[in-house]
Amino acid sequence: AQSVAQPEDQVNVAEGNPLTVKCTYSVSGNPYLFWYVQYPNRGLQFLLKYITGDNLVKGSYGFEAEFNKSQTSFHLKKPSALVSDSALYFCAVRVSSGGYNKLIFGAGTRLAVHP
Amino acid sequence: NAGVMQNPRHLVRRRGQEARLRCSPMKGHSHVYWYRQLPEEGLKFMVYLQKENIIDESGMPKERFSAEFPKEGPSILRIQQVVRGDSAAYFCASSPPRDSSIAGVEQYFGPGTRLTVT
Repeated sequence: AQSVAQPEDQVNVAEGNPLTVKCTYSVSGNPYLFWYVQYPNRGLQFLLKYITGDNLVKGSYGFEAEFNKSQTSFHLKKPSALVSDSALYFCAVRVSSGGYNKLIFGAGTRLAVHP
Repeated sequence: NAGVMQNPRHLVRRRGQEARLRCSPMKGHSHVYWYRQLPEEGLKFMVYLQKENIIDESGMPKERFSAEFPKEGPSILRIQQVVRGDSAAYFCASSPPRDSSIAGVEQYFGPGTRLTVT
């Protein structure tokens, strides 16, 4: 079955420290992978995507993600966390069926950045 | 270019009433997706529609839930005879047509409708 796993419910980081939010996937074929962020009482905002090409993808707000095919992972990273990065982060994979696409989301990881 | 719009943002219904959630996709987008987010959970796919067509409703409960995307006007997610378990945030997303250069690559999300069933 095609799926996305975010093994951590919550990640706590001190401001200024690097952060990593983990994501692993299971899909057939080449994966299209996404990260979205959700602030309280808001919709999802697109952060970045991996389609093909360089394994290190740079996105919005200083975030980046590294695609690792052998480990089937797509971890989200940022070199220096900000308090304003505190939010809920979702990893997603696009699956294709019957000629159309849909997204399968992980359960989400809550990032808390402490001053 | 306005983003995906959803209304109402908050909706309170008593058990047994009907809930109607509206979604206006981004201009030029002809694909609409509905997702449900239960408290403290991720997003679950419900239904995928194109204009006047339901393409995939595999995530939609078989009873009480229906969706449409008419030729004119917004997409509607309709929940009849709501129950407490329907309380959730319902998100709509849209994406460009398939012949677009970025078709299906990204979905753009609306702010969601938070349904509370009392």
